Amino acid sequence: QKEVEQNSGPLSVPEGAIASLNCTYSDRGSQSFFWYRQYSGKSPELIMSIYSNGDKEDGRFTAQLNKASQYVSLLIRDSQPSDSATYLCAVEHDGNQFYFGTGTSLTVIP
Amino acid sequence: DGGITQSPKYLFRKEGQNVTLSCEQNLNHDAMYWYRQDPGQGLRLIYYSQIVNDFQKGDIAEGYSVSREKKESFPLTVTSAQKNPTAFYLCASSIGWTTDTQYFGPGTRLTVL
Repeated sequence: QKEVEQNSGPLSVPEGAIASLNCTYSDRGSQSFFWYRQYSGKSPELIMSIYSNGDKEDGRFTAQLNKASQYVSLLIRDSQPSDSATYLCAVEHDGNQFYFGTGTSLTVIP
Repeated sequence: DGGITQSPKYLFRKEGQNVTLSCEQNLNHDAMYWYRQDPGQGLRLIYYSQIVNDFQKGDIAEGYSVSREKKESFPLTVTSAQKNPTAFYLCASSIGWTTDTQYFGPGTRLTVL
């Protein structure tokens, strides 16, 4: 079992729609969770971090965490073509390193 | 400008050669990390360092070596013992040695000819 699992996609949504990205993890002791966006050929850039159960909103982005079910999700409202990228979920492990999922490829269709 | 720099952006190596990838940060971060990214795979941790003159192996350290003589610098050497070195290499740093947010450099794409 992989430590962090994401659907690889591709996920396609029309412009203006809500994109929903999901991530599950295996380490029940994990306390910190992160979503990164990675454009093709570029390095990952941080979108959001979340540490507590529930929702955290930042502009068009909402991260959701459920530690009991061991999943974290990212919602992108009013999706734009510029949101087309691969989204990486990262989960803290043992207090000193991250495990990354393989990423979900998102395409926003104009 | 504060940030993380990696050089070179592209690197070509002949089989049997060692190469060193540079990573420098001026963010005053204590922790630094090296990852490898292959197509269709997530980032895999090669080495990390929480403090100067100390570093630990990650999940795929075989065939790689690092040093951390200065807080700002964390170079990665890809040795000839690394059997499949062609990949995108990413350096990251974070404020402390707990799992603070990691910020990434632009990456080095290594190709073995």
